[in-house]
Amino acid sequence: EPEVTQTPSHQVTQMGQEVILRCVPISNHLYFYWYRQILGQKVEFLVSFYNNEISEKSEIFDDQFSVERPDGSNFTLKIRSTKLEDSAMYFCASDDNEQFFGPGTRLTVL
Amino acid sequence: SQKIEQNSEALNIQEGKTATLTCNYTNYSPAYLQWYRQDPGRGPVFLLLIRENEKEKRKERLKVTFDTTLKQSLFHITASQPADSATYLCALDPGYSSASKIIFGSGTRLSIRP
Repeated sequence: EPEVTQTPSHQVTQMGQEVILRCVPISNHLYFYWYRQILGQKVEFLVSFYNNEISEKSEIFDDQFSVERPDGSNFTLKIRSTKLEDSAMYFCASDDNEQFFGPGTRLTVL
Repeated sequence: SQKIEQNSEALNIQEGKTATLTCNYTNYSPAYLQWYRQDPGRGPVFLLLIRENEKEKRKERLKVTFDTTLKQSLFHITASQPADSATYLCALDPGYSSASKIIFGSGTRLSIRP
């Protein structure tokens, strides 16, 4: 069964460093999303992406964040200068009338 | 501001009984309401979607109702099993685009005891 994959599963970084989280959506899906979930809190929408551009973004998705689909398969989330409060699980999802979530990347900012 | 509330942080019921979870929302008019299951340390798994013009939807032991007047959805698991133990999330989709901003509730942690 096709699935969304994410790498790495766990990323540890120093505050102020840049991180890139990677996702491979399901191949025939057209809509892609990033969410985050701070430990013990709700899943929060960050951004949606369609036709090589951002469709929607939340107030969390400020200038420190960017997304890219550099080739036909990968979908990346970049955080330019990480802050302590960016520590969370980051989930990628792709959509064909129902959302399929990846297993997540746990980002720890020290 | 938009608000989603899921009843009780945790719900414990006996195996074989029907579990009923509630999702209430305010200041929102979703076109779709979705239910997901989330296990610890894992991503949410889609279960059911119900549209604003649908009253009820079923899938195997799952049933979802959607009352846009009450601004409420009920999620039922019949003949519950210990394997149904997980956190269940409701999510609202305004449906104004194909990649809309979806808002999640904080979830209800369901435990089914044998």
